[in-house]
Amino acid sequence: ETGVTQSPTHLIKTRGQQVTLRCSSQSGHNTVSWYQQALGQGPQFIFQYYREEENGRGNFPPRFSGLQFPNYSSELNVNALELDDSALYLCASSLTASNEQFFGPGTRLTVL
Amino acid sequence: GQQLNQSPQSMFIQEGEDVSMNCTSSSIFNTWLWYKQDPGEGPVLLIALYKAGELTSNGRLTAQFGITRKDSFLNISASIPSDVGIYFCALDTGGGNKLTFGTGTQLKVEL
Repeated sequence: ETGVTQSPTHLIKTRGQQVTLRCSSQSGHNTVSWYQQALGQGPQFIFQYYREEENGRGNFPPRFSGLQFPNYSSELNVNALELDDSALYLCASSLTASNEQFFGPGTRLTVL
Repeated sequence: GQQLNQSPQSMFIQEGEDVSMNCTSSSIFNTWLWYKQDPGEGPVLLIALYKAGELTSNGRLTAQFGITRKDSFLNISASIPSDVGIYFCALDTGGGNKLTFGTGTQLKVEL
């Protein structure tokens, strides 16, 4: 069984640009959550998708948006990148919102 | 928002020693989770606690859900080199896997 995968592994962007990060959930998992982990910090919840609908959002501005597709894979989009957006972005999937989450290895985003 | 205070921030111990770390919250919650994160990886769930006073073991790891429901402890017995990593406590503050993580305890093991 394939675990949670994320692409790309690393990404470098400049301030003001837009970025799209991708996540393939574990087989059969219909819930995907995204987290931002700044260097030396714990992950911070961005938002969650359940069956293609947003199902909760953390304290992040609207320029952070997402999508979930019919196969339950997901995208995180960030517009108007700022230097502080530099972080490891983690995706986690679960069978339902009440089951254990499994995290992917993350995408390391650097904003210059 | 909810704050989770985790201590110590880092630990440098000898192989074979026992390790203890703890986490406190400002509010009462019904679930405490402990994760470990290795370099280049996402966090992996070690232990989940659902009841005040609950003591749960997973191999050499033991975690307890504090009686006040505002704290939790993780103990590692007889540490080995592969225990190196960052340990996070987490709470489901948003309901349904919307987790708040602590600041982490970095564990380094000296051979």
